[in-house]
Amino acid sequence: AQSVTQLDSHVSVSEGTPVLLRCNYSSSYSPSLFWYVQHPNKGLQLLLKYTSAATLVKGINGFEAEFKKSETSFHLTKPSAHMSDAAEYFCVVRDYYGGSQGNLIFGKGTKLSVKP
Amino acid sequence: NAGVTQTPKFQVLKTGQSMTLQCAQDMNHEYMSWYRQDPGMGLRLIHYSVGAGITDQGEVPNGYNVSRSTTEDFPLRLLSAAPSQTSVYFCASSYASGNMYEQFFGPGTRLTVL
Repeated sequence: AQSVTQLDSHVSVSEGTPVLLRCNYSSSYSPSLFWYVQHPNKGLQLLLKYTSAATLVKGINGFEAEFKKSETSFHLTKPSAHMSDAAEYFCVVRDYYGGSQGNLIFGKGTKLSVKP
Repeated sequence: NAGVTQTPKFQVLKTGQSMTLQCAQDMNHEYMSWYRQDPGMGLRLIHYSVGAGITDQGEVPNGYNVSRSTTEDFPLRLLSAAPSQTSVYFCASSYASGNMYEQFFGPGTRLTVL
Protein backbone atom coordinates (compact mmCIF):
# COMPACT_ATOMS: atom_id res chain seq x y z
CA ALA A 1 0.00 0.00 0.00
CA GLN A 2 1.05 3.56 -0.62
CA SER A 3 1.91 5.92 2.22
CA VAL A 4 3.73 9.16 2.90
CA THR A 5 5.54 10.33 6.02
CA GLN A 6 6.19 13.99 6.68
CA LEU A 7 9.20 14.07 8.91
CA ASP A 8 8.49 17.37 10.68
CA SER A 9 5.19 18.49 12.11
CA HIS A 10 6.41 22.07 12.45
CA VAL A 11 9.17 24.03 10.72
CA SER A 12 10.13 27.60 11.58
CA VAL A 13 12.32 29.78 9.35
CA SER A 14 13.20 33.44 9.09
CA GLU A 15 12.01 35.50 6.16
CA GLY A 16 14.55 35.34 3.32
CA THR A 17 16.08 32.02 4.41
CA PRO A 18 15.62 28.67 2.62
CA VAL A 19 12.69 26.36 3.27
CA LEU A 20 12.98 22.56 3.42
CA LEU A 21 9.92 20.42 4.14
CA ARG A 22 10.71 16.72 4.18
CA CYS A 23 8.59 13.87 2.85
CA ASN A 24 9.32 10.17 2.43
CA TYR A 25 7.00 7.88 0.50
CA SER A 26 6.32 4.18 0.31
CA SER A 27 4.96 2.73 -2.89
CA SER A 28 5.05 -0.56 -4.79
CA TYR A 29 4.67 1.29 -8.06
CA SER A 30 6.23 4.35 -9.61
CA PRO A 31 4.30 6.86 -7.54
CA SER A 32 2.39 10.00 -8.39
CA LEU A 33 3.30 12.52 -5.70
CA PHE A 34 1.91 15.93 -4.86
CA TRP A 35 2.41 18.81 -2.50
CA TYR A 36 -0.65 20.78 -1.41
CA VAL A 37 -0.71 23.97 0.66
CA GLN A 38 -3.43 25.14 3.02
CA HIS A 39 -3.42 28.69 4.31
CA PRO A 40 -5.21 29.35 7.61
CA ASN A 41 -8.96 28.73 7.36
CA LYS A 42 -8.71 28.11 3.63
CA GLY A 43 -9.07 25.17 1.28
CA LEU A 44 -6.23 23.22 -0.30
CA GLN A 45 -4.24 24.37 -3.29
CA LEU A 46 -1.95 22.24 -5.45
CA LEU A 47 1.66 23.44 -5.30
CA LEU A 48 3.21 20.88 -7.63
CA LYS A 49 3.01 17.29 -8.81
CA TYR A 50 5.35 14.52 -9.90
CA THR A 51 4.04 11.96 -12.38
CA SER A 52 7.21 10.17 -13.64
CA ALA A 53 8.44 12.90 -15.96
CA ALA A 54 11.31 15.18 -14.80
CA THR A 55 12.54 14.38 -11.31
CA LEU A 56 12.87 18.06 -10.41
CA VAL A 57 9.41 19.54 -10.35
CA LYS A 58 8.75 23.27 -10.26
CA GLY A 59 5.58 24.56 -8.71
CA ILE A 60 3.87 27.80 -7.95
CA ASN A 61 5.24 30.61 -5.77
CA GLY A 62 8.88 29.56 -6.23
CA PHE A 63 8.55 26.11 -4.67
CA GLU A 64 10.11 23.02 -6.15
CA ALA A 65 10.51 19.37 -5.18
CA GLU A 66 12.92 16.66 -6.22
CA PHE A 67 11.88 13.04 -6.62
CA LYS A 68 14.66 10.74 -5.40
CA LYS A 69 13.83 7.10 -5.93
CA SER A 70 16.96 5.82 -4.18
CA GLU A 71 15.99 7.72 -1.04
CA THR A 72 12.19 7.36 -1.49
CA SER A 73 11.94 11.07 -0.84
CA PHE A 74 10.06 14.03 -2.28
CA HIS A 75 11.24 17.03 -0.29
CA LEU A 76 9.79 20.49 -0.90
CA THR A 77 12.16 23.46 -1.08
CA LYS A 78 12.15 27.18 -1.66
CA PRO A 79 15.28 29.32 -1.80
CA SER A 80 13.90 32.28 0.12
CA ALA A 81 10.90 32.24 2.45
CA HIS A 82 8.27 34.95 2.37
CA MET A 83 5.83 35.82 5.12
CA SER A 84 2.99 34.72 2.85
CA ASP A 85 4.42 31.18 2.79
CA ALA A 86 3.25 30.59 6.37
CA ALA A 87 0.75 27.76 5.99
CA GLU A 88 0.33 24.03 6.39
CA TYR A 89 1.84 21.81 3.70
CA PHE A 90 0.75 18.30 2.83
CA CYS A 91 2.71 15.65 0.98
CA VAL A 92 0.34 13.35 -0.89
CA VAL A 93 0.62 10.11 -2.85
CA ARG A 94 -1.93 8.74 -5.27
CA ASP A 95 -3.35 5.31 -4.52
CA TYR A 96 -3.08 2.76 -7.30
CA TYR A 97 -5.01 -0.28 -6.14
CA GLY A 98 -8.14 -1.56 -7.85
CA GLY A 99 -11.26 0.55 -7.58
CA SER A 100 -9.53 3.10 -5.38
CA GLN A 101 -7.34 4.36 -8.20
CA GLY A 102 -7.32 8.09 -7.96
CA ASN A 103 -7.69 8.30 -4.20
CA LEU A 104 -5.16 10.53 -2.50
CA ILE A 105 -3.30 9.51 0.64
CA PHE A 106 -2.23 12.49 2.74
CA GLY A 107 0.64 12.93 5.11
CA LYS A 108 -0.13 14.45 8.50
CA GLY A 109 1.06 17.87 7.42
CA THR A 110 3.91 20.26 8.22
CA LYS A 111 3.10 23.66 9.61
CA LEU A 112 5.50 26.29 8.30
CA SER A 113 6.05 29.43 10.37
CA VAL A 114 7.96 32.39 8.92
CA LYS A 115 9.53 34.90 11.30
CA PRO A 116 10.12 38.48 10.22
CA ASN B 1 -16.79 28.32 -13.72
CA ALA B 2 -17.25 28.10 -9.93
CA GLY B 3 -15.08 24.98 -9.45
CA VAL B 4 -16.02 22.96 -6.35
CA THR B 5 -18.58 24.54 -4.04
CA GLN B 6 -19.62 23.39 -0.58
CA THR B 7 -22.49 24.42 1.66
CA PRO B 8 -22.82 25.29 4.44
CA LYS B 9 -19.51 26.88 5.48
CA PHE B 10 -20.22 26.36 9.18
CA GLN B 11 -22.67 24.13 11.05
CA VAL B 12 -23.37 23.31 14.67
CA LEU B 13 -25.35 20.17 15.46
CA LYS B 14 -26.52 18.44 18.58
CA THR B 15 -25.67 14.78 19.15
CA GLY B 16 -28.12 12.57 17.30
CA GLN B 17 -29.18 15.11 14.72
CA SER B 18 -28.80 14.36 11.03
CA MET B 19 -27.73 16.66 8.23
CA THR B 20 -26.43 16.75 4.69
CA LEU B 21 -23.29 18.52 3.54
CA GLN B 22 -23.64 19.63 -0.03
CA CYS B 23 -20.92 19.48 -2.69
CA ALA B 24 -21.19 20.47 -6.34
CA GLN B 25 -18.72 20.86 -9.19
CA ASP B 26 -19.14 22.36 -12.64
CA MET B 27 -16.05 20.89 -14.32
CA ASN B 28 -17.70 17.68 -15.54
CA HIS B 29 -15.37 15.61 -13.36
CA GLU B 30 -16.16 11.93 -13.01
CA TYR B 31 -14.32 11.45 -9.72
CA MET B 32 -15.50 13.08 -6.49
CA SER B 33 -14.54 12.47 -2.90
CA TRP B 34 -15.07 13.57 0.70
CA TYR B 35 -12.32 14.03 3.26
CA ARG B 36 -12.28 15.03 6.88
CA GLN B 37 -9.45 17.02 8.40
CA ASP B 38 -8.55 16.74 12.05
CA PRO B 39 -5.57 18.42 13.77
CA GLY B 40 -2.37 16.42 13.33
CA MET B 41 -4.11 13.80 11.17
CA GLY B 42 -3.92 15.27 7.68
CA LEU B 43 -6.92 14.56 5.47
CA ARG B 44 -8.61 11.18 5.59
CA LEU B 45 -10.87 9.82 2.89
CA ILE B 46 -14.48 9.16 3.89
CA HIS B 47 -16.21 8.13 0.65
CA TYR B 48 -15.55 8.53 -3.03
CA SER B 49 -17.31 8.14 -6.36
CA VAL B 50 -15.90 7.34 -9.80
CA GLY B 51 -19.09 8.34 -11.62
CA ALA B 52 -22.82 8.80 -11.30
CA GLY B 53 -24.37 5.81 -9.53
CA ILE B 54 -21.02 4.48 -8.26
CA THR B 55 -19.74 5.08 -4.73
CA ASP B 56 -17.32 3.33 -2.43
CA GLN B 57 -15.90 3.62 1.07
CA GLY B 58 -12.65 5.26 1.99
CA GLU B 59 -10.59 5.03 5.15
CA VAL B 60 -13.15 6.39 7.65
CA PRO B 61 -16.69 5.74 6.32
CA ASN B 62 -18.56 4.88 9.55
CA GLY B 63 -21.40 7.25 10.37
CA TYR B 64 -21.54 8.74 6.88
CA ASN B 65 -23.61 8.02 3.82
CA VAL B 66 -23.24 9.18 0.22
CA SER B 67 -25.01 8.90 -3.11
CA ARG B 68 -24.20 10.16 -6.59
CA SER B 69 -27.26 10.64 -8.76
CA THR B 70 -25.67 13.23 -11.06
CA THR B 71 -22.15 14.00 -12.24
CA GLU B 72 -22.29 17.43 -10.60
CA ASP B 73 -23.43 16.65 -7.04
CA PHE B 74 -22.01 14.46 -4.28
CA PRO B 75 -23.77 15.06 -0.92
CA LEU B 76 -22.47 13.65 2.35
CA ARG B 77 -25.05 12.63 4.96
CA LEU B 78 -24.47 12.33 8.67
CA LEU B 79 -27.13 9.93 9.88
CA SER B 80 -26.85 10.53 13.63
CA ALA B 81 -24.20 13.08 14.51
CA ALA B 82 -21.65 12.31 17.22
CA PRO B 83 -19.04 14.58 18.86
CA SER B 84 -16.33 12.49 17.16
CA GLN B 85 -17.58 13.86 13.85
CA THR B 86 -16.56 17.38 14.79
CA SER B 87 -14.15 18.20 11.99
CA VAL B 88 -13.56 20.18 8.83
CA TYR B 89 -14.95 18.46 5.77
CA PHE B 90 -13.56 18.90 2.28
CA CYS B 91 -15.07 17.81 -0.99
CA ALA B 92 -12.82 17.30 -4.02
CA SER B 93 -13.20 16.39 -7.68
CA SER B 94 -10.93 15.38 -10.54
CA TYR B 95 -10.71 13.59 -13.84
CA ALA B 96 -10.78 9.88 -13.12
CA SER B 97 -7.39 8.82 -14.31
CA GLY B 98 -4.27 9.69 -16.25
CA ASN B 99 -1.28 11.87 -15.57
CA MET B 100 -3.32 15.03 -16.04
CA TYR B 101 -4.58 14.26 -12.58
CA GLU B 102 -5.28 16.98 -10.06
CA GLN B 103 -7.91 17.03 -7.35
CA PHE B 104 -9.65 20.36 -6.92
CA PHE B 105 -10.83 21.06 -3.40
CA GLY B 106 -13.79 22.99 -2.16
CA PRO B 107 -13.45 25.61 0.60
CA GLY B 108 -14.57 23.24 3.36
CA THR B 109 -17.38 22.92 5.89
CA ARG B 110 -16.54 23.35 9.57
CA LEU B 111 -18.82 21.11 11.60
CA THR B 112 -19.19 21.11 15.37
CA VAL B 113 -21.23 18.43 17.12
CA LEU B 114 -22.19 19.23 20.71
